[in-house]
Amino acid sequence: DAGVTQSPTHLIKTRGQHVTLRCSPISGHKSVSWYQQVLGQGPQFIFQYYEKEERGRGNFPDRFSARQFPNYSSELNVNALLLGDSALYLCASSLAAGGGEQYFGPGTRLTVT
Amino acid sequence: QKEVEQNSGPLSVPEGAIASLNCTYSDRVSQSFFWYRQYSGKSPELIMSIYSNGDKEDGRFTAQLNKASQYVSLLIRDSQPSDSATYLCAVSGYSSASKIIFGSGTRLSIRP
Repeated sequence: DAGVTQSPTHLIKTRGQHVTLRCSPISGHKSVSWYQQVLGQGPQFIFQYYEKEERGRGNFPDRFSARQFPNYSSELNVNALLLGDSALYLCASSLAAGGGEQYFGPGTRLTVT
Repeated sequence: QKEVEQNSGPLSVPEGAIASLNCTYSDRVSQSFFWYRQYSGKSPELIMSIYSNGDKEDGRFTAQLNKASQYVSLLIRDSQPSDSATYLCAVSGYSSASKIIFGSGTRLSIRP
């Protein structure tokens, strides 16, 4: 069975630009969560979506937004990129919302110059 | 105070010995607890989940949970060089069940 997939793998953007990251969950999983991980830190929660509805939001500015599609795939959008947005962006898939097990994709490495 | 605290390490353990990794959390209503392993340059991989007090064993791994002390640990028996990685403790609270809070991770090094 395919695991969580993310695209692109790597991305280089310039300050002020916009970026869209994509995620497809494990087949049968209906929830997708997004995390940001900077070097030396654990992943920081950004959003969780379940059945196309936002179920949780972390402490990130409004420049960050996300959505989930009817096929349960998801997009994370970041506007007006800052140098500090450079990080590994991780998507995690779970069967449902709530405190269950989450399985991570390979991540998208975003570099903002 | 951080919500989930781990010793950053590095923790150096000889091959074949038991590695003990510890984690404390601040939210008393936390319900779900996870250990992830992350190799350098890779994404986190779920290795254990535990939801009730006591021990849970899976192969060479044992997770221990003490909710009264707000303490979670992971024991790795017969440590192998391939166990060298960063181990992330993660906690999900009933008050905000939709998000998982991670510690900063403990770097484990198994020396031959």
